[in-house]
Amino acid sequence: ETGVTQSPTHLIKTRGQQVTLRCSSQSGHNTVSWYQQALGQGPQFIFQYYREEENGRGNFPPRFSGLQFPNYSSELNVNALELDDSALYLCASSFWGFSYEQYFGPGTRLTVT
Amino acid sequence: AQKITQTQPGMFVQEKEAVTLDCTYDTSDQSYGLFWYKQPSSGEMIFLIYQGSYDEQNATEGRYSLNFQKARKSANLVISASQLGDSAMYFCAMRESGGSNYKLTFGKGTLLTVNP
Repeated sequence: ETGVTQSPTHLIKTRGQQVTLRCSSQSGHNTVSWYQQALGQGPQFIFQYYREEENGRGNFPPRFSGLQFPNYSSELNVNALELDDSALYLCASSFWGFSYEQYFGPGTRLTVT
Repeated sequence: AQKITQTQPGMFVQEKEAVTLDCTYDTSDQSYGLFWYKQPSSGEMIFLIYQGSYDEQNATEGRYSLNFQKARKSANLVISASQLGDSAMYFCAMRESGGSNYKLTFGKGTLLTVNP
C-alpha cells in the first residue's frame, strides 16, 4: 500500500509569483484535502476534492485553487504569492464515506521572500 | 469562537510516565468526530486516535487513550508509558457534520517533550 506523497519537499518563491504543489493520494483513496499550516499554528483547511470537483472550501481567497485528476492525485495552485503564504502545505487523502481514515502526506514547505 | 482549544503550549514528562494532553471543543452538532494527531519535527501528521460523538466507550489505541467527557466537551489524550520518541507536537482536531464532510478543525497544538 502506497502512502500519501507530496512534491516538492521545499520551495522558495518570490512575492507575486505563482506556485503549484502536488499530492498523490494513498492507494484506494479517492478524496484529497489540502491544509495550510503557518509556523506555530494548527493546520487550516483550504479545500477538498472528490470526483475531480471542489467539495468544500475554507476561508481562503480565490487565488488558492486546485485540481484533482482521474487517478485521484491533486494539485494546489497559489497565484500572486504573498509573504503570509509562507507555510507548510499538507495534503490528506481519504475514501469518501470513511471520515476517520484521513492520512496526511509529509507536506511541502513553501517560503515566500 | 475557537472551536478547538488546547491550553497547554508545552508539556514535559519523564520517560515511562503517563501524560495527559488537554483538549476542549465547541460545537452545536450532535454528530461529530474528534481526532488526535502527532506531528514530529519532520512535519507529517500522524493519526493517533479517533472518537465519535456517539461512541459510548473511550477510544484506545495501544498506549494512547482518549478521555472523552461529552458533557464537558473535552477530549483529552492520555499517553501511557511515555517514550523518547513521543516527543513531538500533538494536535486535537474535530470533524463536524456527519457524513462525508472531511474538513478538520485543528487546535494550536501542544509540544510534548519526554525527558530521559
